[in-house]
Amino acid sequence: EVQLLESGGDLVQPGGSLRLSCAASGFTFNSYAMTWVRQAPGKGLEWVSGISGSGGSTYYADSVKGRFTISRDNSKNTLYLQMNTLGPEDTALYYCAKRVGFSFGLWGQGTLVTISS
Amino acid sequence: EIVLTQSPGTLSLSPGERATLSCRASQSVSSTYLAWYQQKPGQAPRLLIYGASSRATGIPDRFTGSGSGTDFTLTISRLEPEDFAVYYCQQYGSSSWTFGQGTKVEIK
Repeated sequence: EVQLLESGGDLVQPGGSLRLSCAASGFTFNSYAMTWVRQAPGKGLEWVSGISGSGGSTYYADSVKGRFTISRDNSKNTLYLQMNTLGPEDTALYYCAKRVGFSFGLWGQGTLVTISS
Repeated sequence: EIVLTQSPGTLSLSPGERATLSCRASQSVSSTYLAWYQQKPGQAPRLLIYGASSRATGIPDRFTGSGSGTDFTLTISRLEPEDFAVYYCQQYGSSSWTFGQGTKVEIK
């Protein structure tokens, strides 16, 4: 079955760090660029970061640049998002998604990150 | 950064009616880079339309995407009960993506 499964979401204090994971199955992981998209509670979708299939190219939204790092381990079919210096504005449901062309054709169910003291 | 503005914010319609959703860009967007998604409560978004007018796999033909330049439209020809949801447009440009704020299609 083709699927994405996120994990790693948690309650973290402001200024803290967290690493999210996204396990992929059912497709040739290293052939696809991947991305992270987040959704604050009751709000719309916000693109966060993207990475090429090889991992050689990475992209970030201005809101997370310098704080978040996207990476992937193609031997483990897993995508990561290292998040540092977290603030309340980072509270959201974080989705990983598989890029198909210039759109996001497959989404996971999301993992919840809550930043609060 | 290209800003996408969706209208209306909420569309109240009855099953069987036609829904017309608008997505306007702050500057011209290549049709190749324009997509539409559907999101139901408690679920992840689902790709409906890519390349402005191509339906994704398994998407019924009552969903039609159209438009070019700065004005794009998603039309649902006859609303089914499962179509009541929030719809987002999305564009790619300069190695980043942006989404519109969403249009909620609710049952009247």
